[in-house]
Amino acid sequence: KQEVTQIPAALSVPEGENLVLNCSFTDSAIYNLQWFRQDPGKGLTSLLLIQSSQREQTSGRLNASLDKSSGRSTLYIAASQPGDSATYLCAVNDYKLSFGAGTTVTVRA
Amino acid sequence: DGGITQSPKYLFRKEGQNVTLSCEQNLNHDAMYWYRQDPGQGLRLIYYSQIVNDFQKGDIAEGYSVSREKKESFPLTVTSAQKNPTAFYLCASGTGDSYEQYFGPGTRLTVT
Repeated sequence: KQEVTQIPAALSVPEGENLVLNCSFTDSAIYNLQWFRQDPGKGLTSLLLIQSSQREQTSGRLNASLDKSSGRSTLYIAASQPGDSATYLCAVNDYKLSFGAGTTVTVRA
Repeated sequence: DGGITQSPKYLFRKEGQNVTLSCEQNLNHDAMYWYRQDPGQGLRLIYYSQIVNDFQKGDIAEGYSVSREKKESFPLTVTSAQKNPTAFYLCASGTGDSYEQYFGPGTRLTVT
């Protein structure tokens, strides 16, 4: 059974600092990995999808890396802004999505 | 606007009553999913359907039922057999190609 872990559970940084969010998973036989953002009381917004054959994916200030052999993915958010405050979830797809519990980020103005 | 709609946003029910949550998508996706989210936990898969008239149990299907009579619709019924139904319920749809999933805004169910 796939187990997905996100550490830390919460993170608080001053505006402008770079964010590094970690995700680890136990079974490397995956199709892809998705990073999502969730605002309080809202649904999930897909940020990045990395296919199993890719090493990284970029969108604007966001960059996600994938190392299947070590079972790890990292989401980097450059030059954080208060609007980046949210919970970030990673999900591993091995025919169905398995989610981590998320990292709640607070960016202080 | 293309997307996934869930209704209602908030739902209140008395213990012992069945309740049905709506999920509709106009993305022409074959696959649809229901997840449950509890505070401080990741999402857990309840049921999924990869094609009309077919669906499979997820990790926590007990106390729930679904139907998939149309491609666009995947309603979830929370039955009185579900012991802890109060939660945030999220519906998603996806394509078979990339396996990427897109989520609706969620329904918060409170049972007292």
